[in-house]
Amino acid sequence: EVQLVESGGDLVQPGGSLRLSCAASGFTFSTYGMNWVRQAPGKGLEWVSYISSSSGVIYYADYVKGRFTISRDNAKNSLYVQMNNLRDEDTAVYYCARSLKVSAADYWGQGTLVTVSS
Amino acid sequence: QSALTQPASVSGSPGQSITISCTGTSSDVGGFNYVSWYQQHPGKAPKLMIYDVSNRPSGVSYRFSGSKSGNTASLTISGLQAEDEAHYYCSSYTSSSTPGVFGGGTKLTVL
Repeated sequence: EVQLVESGGDLVQPGGSLRLSCAASGFTFSTYGMNWVRQAPGKGLEWVSYISSSSGVIYYADYVKGRFTISRDNAKNSLYVQMNNLRDEDTAVYYCARSLKVSAADYWGQGTLVTVSS
Repeated sequence: QSALTQPASVSGSPGQSITISCTGTSSDVGGFNYVSWYQQHPGKAPKLMIYDVSNRPSGVSYRFSGSKSGNTASLTISGLQAEDEAHYYCSSYTSSSTPGVFGGGTKLTVL
């Protein structure tokens, strides 16, 4: 069974940093691209970042470019996102999601809440 | 990148069919056959319902179908059931080297 479990969400002040992790199991992690997708409270979904299976292709949404860094460790079956210079508008549930194709995610974690507030 | 345009809400009675539209541009929906649709129930993670415009993942009901014409993609749900009541989001690959773009979401109410 495919499982994705996010962790690392927390309350952080504006300008602060946070690192989210996603532990994957039930599939060959090293052969799939992975995504971070977020959802602000009561709002819609937003793509945040994508990383290919070998980390050779990385995409960021414009609103996080230069502040967020996606990475993965295929030996540990884990996906990460380092979030720096956080803003109020980054407050959201962050989902880890497996890529079926670029821009199509077939398995999702339960999400981890990031709250940016002073 | 601008969000794709979806109606805020649609409704239908059990057994009826409904269609949700998703309008983009030639840089996303119109330029690629990489449109996907997601269903999200309150407090739950999204679920992939359609990918590559019209393909259903294993386990998704045949009542869900997708299509595209020009810059507009559509999700049709036939034989509406109470459990179909949820938010639906479209997504597309884009030419702008970003992960993709979502629509604003459509709330489906089963009357």
